[in-house]
Amino acid sequence: EVQLVESGGGLVQPGGSLRLSCEASGFTFGSSAMAWVRRAPGQGLEWVASLSINGDKTYYADSVWGRFTISRDNSKSTLYLQMNSLRVEDTAVYFCAKDFRGGGNYGWFDSWGQGTLVSVSS
Amino acid sequence: DIQMTQSPSSVSASVGDRVTITCRASQRISGWLAWYQLKPGKAPKLLIYAASTLQGGVPSRFSGSSSGPDFTLTISNLQPEDSATYYCEQAGSFPLTFGQGTRLDIK
Repeated sequence: EVQLVESGGGLVQPGGSLRLSCEASGFTFGSSAMAWVRRAPGQGLEWVASLSINGDKTYYADSVWGRFTISRDNSKSTLYLQMNSLRVEDTAVYFCAKDFRGGGNYGWFDSWGQGTLVSVSS
Repeated sequence: DIQMTQSPSSVSASVGDRVTITCRASQRISGWLAWYQLKPGKAPKLLIYAASTLQGGVPSRFSGSSSGPDFTLTISNLQPEDSATYYCEQAGSFPLTFGQGTRLDIK
């Protein structure tokens, strides 16, 4: 059974930093592209970032470009999201998602974690 | 960026009814569209990808179709457990974008 477990969320002040982790199990992590998707309170889903299988290609939403960094450690089956210069509008539940589309294409997420809450407030 | 216009924003229906949710893409995305179901406190669930391919384990009362820039999710024979918010997502190009969501309530 595929499992994705996010951690690292919490309360942080504007301008602060957080690092989210997503531990994967039940599939060959090193063979899957991965992504982060978020949902702000009362809002819809928003794609945040995607990462290729070996970590050499990264893609970001304009809203986080230059502030967030997606990375992975295939030896630990773990996905990361380093979030710097956090803003109030980054407050959301952050989901880790497995991308099964393959072939150098992205965007179909067949497994998701339950999410970790990031609250940015003074 | 490709905008996904999803409608309706909410719908209420009874057990056994059929419901249709639509997404319109602002640019050509071919068939690169997926549908997800989101319930409070649970992980989102992929229902359909490539516009009309049913994800494994998803009941056959869920179906997807497309016509030009319009994509449709149809849920037939509604069940109480179908109460959720549904989102379309275009995977034609980055940035990936979602529709605004449709909240489905079962009377």
